[in-house]
This record gives sequence, C-alpha cells and structure tokens, in this order.
Amino acid sequence: KAGVTQTPRYLIKTRGQQVTLSCSPISGHRSVSWYQQTPGQGLQFLFEYFSETQRNKGNFPGRFSGRQFSNSRSEMNVSTLELGDSALYLCASSFSGRATDTQYFGPGTRLTVL
Amino acid sequence: DAKTTQPNSMESNEEEPVHLPCNHSTISGTDYIHWYRQLPSQGPEYVIHGLTSNVNNRMASLAIAEDRKSSTLILHRATLRDAAVYYCILRRYNNNDMRFGAGTRLTVKP
Repeated sequence: KAGVTQTPRYLIKTRGQQVTLSCSPISGHRSVSWYQQTPGQGLQFLFEYFSETQRNKGNFPGRFSGRQFSNSRSEMNVSTLELGDSALYLCASSFSGRATDTQYFGPGTRLTVL
Repeated sequence: DAKTTQPNSMESNEEEPVHLPCNHSTISGTDYIHWYRQLPSQGPEYVIHGLTSNVNNRMASLAIAEDRKSSTLILHRATLRDAAVYYCILRRYNNNDMRFGAGTRLTVKP
C-alpha cells in the first residue's frame, strides 16, 4: 500500500509569512505525528493527532499549529515565520499512535525561510 | 521524560556484526525501547522494539539488559546500506509521542 506522502516537498518563504504543510497518512492509520528536524536541535516532536483531536504536544510556540481531517489527513501551519523555522518537517502515521505501534515516516517537507 | 544516551558515532566493516549501545538509566516499567534509523535524505524508519525480553526480526536483534537500564541493537552483518543515524527511543505505553535523542551515526566501511 502507498506510504506516507507529504506536500510540498520543498518550500521557500520569507520572514513574517505563514505556511501550511500537508500530510497524507497510510490508509487505515488514524494517528499522525509531526516532527521538526534541524542540524542543531535534531528531531523534535511537534504534536500528534488522532481522530481529529490533538492528543499530545511538544515544546513549540503557539505559532505552530495543526489539524486533522475526518479522512486522517493532517495539515501543519506555521504563522509569522522566523529564520529559525527553516527545517525539514516530517510527518509520521501509525494505526493508533500507541507505544507498540510502528510509526511510518514520510519523506518530509524542506522549508527554507529567507 | 526518560532520556537515552548513545555514542555520537561508530564505525564498522562491511559484513561484520555491529553492536549499537543505548543507556536509559531512568527508564520506567511501562517504557518500550524502540530503535529507528534514518538513512541519508530520508525520513526515519522503524527497526525494532521491545519491552523486557530480547527481540529478533529480519533487520536486527535487540538485547535488553536484565535491569532494563541499557539495551543494544545488533546488526548481524552490516552492509553499506546500513549506514545511517540510529536512534534509541523510549515510548511510554500510554503516551504517543517519540522523543528522539542525537542518535549514533554508523559508518560502514567496505
């Protein structure tokens, strides 16, 4: 079956703009998690959605938000972009999001903020 | 949150076994030990996970210390395609996030 897909794959924005990233999970998966990866901070957990509800949130400012639709597709939004938001944004899906589930990662969206 | 400690980097020769260590001295009884790896220019991929007993799958083996304060990921015969950053992660049973550490960068030499 098809893997996790993320769109767009690359994005260039300027400071102060906002951006929306999209993630389509594996069919049947109801949990979607988002991560930010930077050379300095590594992989950091942003938030996780399950059945359209945010279940867990990492330590990021309120400029980072997300949502999940009834078909489990998820979007992540970053408002008022800063240079430090330049990163690879990864989403991962799993069946239920529990600790025994495997998370399947997408290829990521590379965001560059100028 | 319980944390993990891994060496920054390790080297191996092709077709030799590799033992990647992970310390997690503050692990709790409901924490599962997961290993993921990230190949260059790709998202992380699942390798193996366990709770208390040693685990084997087609990719690797996971050896868990009796006190659960450390674990070792074993690649039985390293190939060039195994060159990646390997992450050891603790996941609490009723929690649904994954907290990645810095990981171990494995280099495989031909």
